[in-house]
Amino acid sequence: NAGVTQTPKFRVLKTGQSMTLLCAQDMNHEYMYWYRQDPGMGLRLIHYSVGEGTTAKGEVPDGYNVSRLKKQNFLLGLESAAPSQTSVYFCASSSGFMEQFFGPGTRLTVL
Amino acid sequence: SQKIEQNSEALNIQEGKTATLTCNYTNYSPAYLQWYRQDPGRGPVFLLLIRENEKEKRKERLKVTFDTTLKQSLFHITASQPADSATYLCALEAGANNLFFGTGTRLTVIP
Repeated sequence: NAGVTQTPKFRVLKTGQSMTLLCAQDMNHEYMYWYRQDPGMGLRLIHYSVGEGTTAKGEVPDGYNVSRLKKQNFLLGLESAAPSQTSVYFCASSSGFMEQFFGPGTRLTVL
Repeated sequence: SQKIEQNSEALNIQEGKTATLTCNYTNYSPAYLQWYRQDPGRGPVFLLLIRENEKEKRKERLKVTFDTTLKQSLFHITASQPADSATYLCALEAGANNLFFGTGTRLTVIP
């Protein structure tokens, strides 16, 4: 099993550009999450999903959109990137009320 | 809103000693608490989960305690080794199978 994978690993954007981060899991987990991690701030939840076709806002959802069209995939979109969105983004999945399994992260820089 | 404090940003200890990391929280009564390990450039990895009705949990050289009166969890690594050097994250259950993460403590075990 590959576990949780994220694409791409690194990306540099210019302000105003858009992009989509892809997360895939092969553990048949219902729950999926997108976090961002910034120095001194810890992991903060952006959006999450409790099952295929569902999404919900987390702690810091502004400027991001998500979709969960397939159970194994969770996409994070930035419609108009801003320098404040420079961060490391982690995807995670869970079977519910248990530990979360994290992907390797995507390092995004917005110039 | 809930707040988590992990005792210090960095902790240095001598190999073979016991490392003790502290996680304090306010404004919340989580049903469970988790500890994760994060190595540089990688996603967090789950270590232990302890529920509100459990006082202590052990796994090999790891021990976690959970005091719901003090609103505190202690994470111990006995007989520490240089390979234990990493950042350790405390995470509280935050409803809807979500977690609220602390900023972490960077542990360095000196040979």
